[in-house]
Amino acid sequence: EPEVTQTPSHQVTQMGQEVILRCVPISNHLYFYWYRQILGQKVEFLVSFYNNEISEKSEIFDDQFSVERPDGSNFTLKIRSTKLEDSAMYFCASSAHPSFATDTQYFGPGTRLTVL
Amino acid sequence: AQTVTQSQPEMSVQEAETVTLSCTYDTSESNYYLFWYKQPPSRQMILVIRQEAYKQQNATENRFSVNFQKAAKSFSLKISDSQLGDTAMYFCAFMKHFSPRGGSQGNLIFGKGTKLSVKP
Repeated sequence: EPEVTQTPSHQVTQMGQEVILRCVPISNHLYFYWYRQILGQKVEFLVSFYNNEISEKSEIFDDQFSVERPDGSNFTLKIRSTKLEDSAMYFCASSAHPSFATDTQYFGPGTRLTVL
Repeated sequence: AQTVTQSQPEMSVQEAETVTLSCTYDTSESNYYLFWYKQPPSRQMILVIRQEAYKQQNATENRFSVNFQKAAKSFSLKISDSQLGDTAMYFCAFMKHFSPRGGSQGNLIFGKGTKLSVKP
């Protein structure tokens, strides 16, 4: 069964450093998402991406965040200058087309980001 | 704005018993979708079941079923014949109907989760 993959599984970085989290969505999917889960809290939507551009973003997704699909398979989340509060689990998800009644978002296993 | 509330932070159930997890939501939308996701200790999010708001019939998926009360904005999950492998965090999630022109692009709004422990 096709699955969403994410690398690395765990990233440790120093405050102020840039990090790039990588995701490979399911190959025929068109919509891509990033979510964040701070330890012990709920999963929060960050951004959705379609047709090579951001289609929706939350208040959390400020100027220090960016996303891109550099090569037609990878989908990346970049955090320019990490803060302690960016420590969280970051989930990538993809869906074929959310307008389809039977569509489902499939989640990757997550990247645990630790900012020291 | 939509909100999702799960009022039970933790629950436990004996193996083979039945348990019901509660979820309520608030929205002014008439067309939307509801989901239950499971997050085991591995922390991967796994879809358990989904419900389209326009469908009156409650969704079922093997041992998992929902009680969808649209007027009450309630969406509970029933797990029958609980198994040890059901031990996980369970998140209720809401999604507005997709709208390509500046509206919802399919993002999910999650509740805070219920930690379910299945005891042998």
